[in-house]
Amino acid sequence: QSALTQPRSVSGSPGQSVTISCTGTSSDVGGYNYVSWYQQHPGKAPKLMIYDVSKRPSGVPDRFSGSKSGKTASLTISGLQAEDEADYFCCSYAGTYSLVFGGGTKLTVL
Amino acid sequence: QVQLQQWGAGLLKPSETLSLTCAVDGGSFSGYYWSWIRQPPGKGLEWIGEINHSGSTYYNPSLKSRVTISSDTSKNQFSLKLTSVTAADTAVFYCARTFLYFGIPDAFDIWGQGTLVTVSS
Repeated sequence: QSALTQPRSVSGSPGQSVTISCTGTSSDVGGYNYVSWYQQHPGKAPKLMIYDVSKRPSGVPDRFSGSKSGKTASLTISGLQAEDEADYFCCSYAGTYSLVFGGGTKLTVL
Repeated sequence: QVQLQQWGAGLLKPSETLSLTCAVDGGSFSGYYWSWIRQPPGKGLEWIGEINHSGSTYYNPSLKSRVTISSDTSKNQFSLKLTSVTAADTAVFYCARTFLYFGIPDAFDIWGQGTLVTVSS
C-alpha cells in the first residue's frame, strides 16, 4: 500500500484556476470511484472538500471540482481566492476496507 | 452537529504504548466506520485503521502488528493503542468519522481536533 503521488506544490494568482493531480495504481485510484480530497490549513484538522471523485459536501463552494481519468484523479480550484491557500491531500479506497492518502500538495496563492 | 473529542498522553518514551481515545458527541455510532489517521510534523497523512459499530477492525498493513483499535459503544467512544513506539511515531493523531458507500469506507467527513504525540527519551 504505497502513498498516492501528488505534486509537492502548485501556485496561482487570485481569480485563476489550478489543478492538483493524484496518481495511484489500478489497486486504488484506478480501481474505484472512491477518491476524496481534503483541505488543511496550518495547525488545523483536514476538511473534506470532494468525495466519490467529484461530489461536494454541503457548504463546499462550487469553485472546487474533482475528476478522474484512469489512475489519476484531479482537483480543480477555479476563481482562486486567498483563503484557498492550504495543503491539499487526496485519498482513495484501496481494497479490503483500507484507504491510502497522497503525500499532499501545498497551494500558494500569489 | 456531530463532534469528535479526542484525548490521550502527549509525551512518550521509546518502547512505550501510545493510547488515545475519541468520543462521538451528538450522533450515532452505528452506520459509520471510525478511523485513526496520523500526520508526522511537516508531512502527509497516513491512515492507521478503522473500526465499525460491530467491532470489526481493519488496519494499515504497515502498522498492523503494533495497532489495536477498540470501541465502547455504551459510551460512544473508540480508542487507539500503538505499541513499541519510536521517534518515527511522533505525529499529530486524528480520529475521524468514515462514511460508507454500500458498505465501503468512502471518505472522512468529521475530524477530531488532533493530538500531538511526541516520542522522546
